[in-house]
Amino acid sequence: KAGVTQTPRYLIKTRGQQVTLSCSPISGHRSVSWYQQTPGQGLQFLFEYFSETQRNKGNFPGRFSGRQFSNSRSEMNVSTLELGDSALYLCASSSLQGSYEQYFGPGTRLTVT
Amino acid sequence: DQQVKQNSPSLSVQEGRISILNCDYTNSMFDYFLWYKKYPAEGPTFLISISSIKDKNEDGRFTVFLNKSAKHLSLHIVPSQPGDSAVYFCAASAGGGATNKLIFGTGTLLAVQP
Repeated sequence: KAGVTQTPRYLIKTRGQQVTLSCSPISGHRSVSWYQQTPGQGLQFLFEYFSETQRNKGNFPGRFSGRQFSNSRSEMNVSTLELGDSALYLCASSSLQGSYEQYFGPGTRLTVT
Repeated sequence: DQQVKQNSPSLSVQEGRISILNCDYTNSMFDYFLWYKKYPAEGPTFLISISSIKDKNEDGRFTVFLNKSAKHLSLHIVPSQPGDSAVYFCAASAGGGATNKLIFGTGTLLAVQP
């Protein structure tokens, strides 16, 4: 079975721009969660989707948004990028909502200059 | 407010010895705890977990201990191998099975010396 894939792997953007990141979960998995990893902060929860519905949202500004499609693929969008948005963005999938064991993709490394 | 804390940013251990990674938490509503391992340029991979109703869970060389009264958990790796060198994240959930949201610690970099 193919693992979680994220595209692109690396991205460089300028302050004020917007960015869209993509995540394809493991086949058959219907739950997708997104996390932001910055040095010294660990992984911070962004949002969680199940069957195209946002089930949970972390403590991030409204510039961060996401969605999930009928094939379970998910995208997250960050508008009006700030320098502090530079981070590794990780997507995780699981087969069920409430399944603690999640499978992570390799992440998208976003650099904002 | 960091609800899950890993106070040791790094740990160095000799091959064959025991590695003990520690994690403290503040939220008494957490009902499930997990450990993830992360290599550079890869996403975290699930290692082992424990429910709040247990105090110990073993899987091969890995054992997780939970002390609910102290709000403390630890991961023991015996014997440690050079391939265990990675960043280890402690994570917790208060979802009661209704959410996949995890609260992560900041990680501990384990270096196992040959």
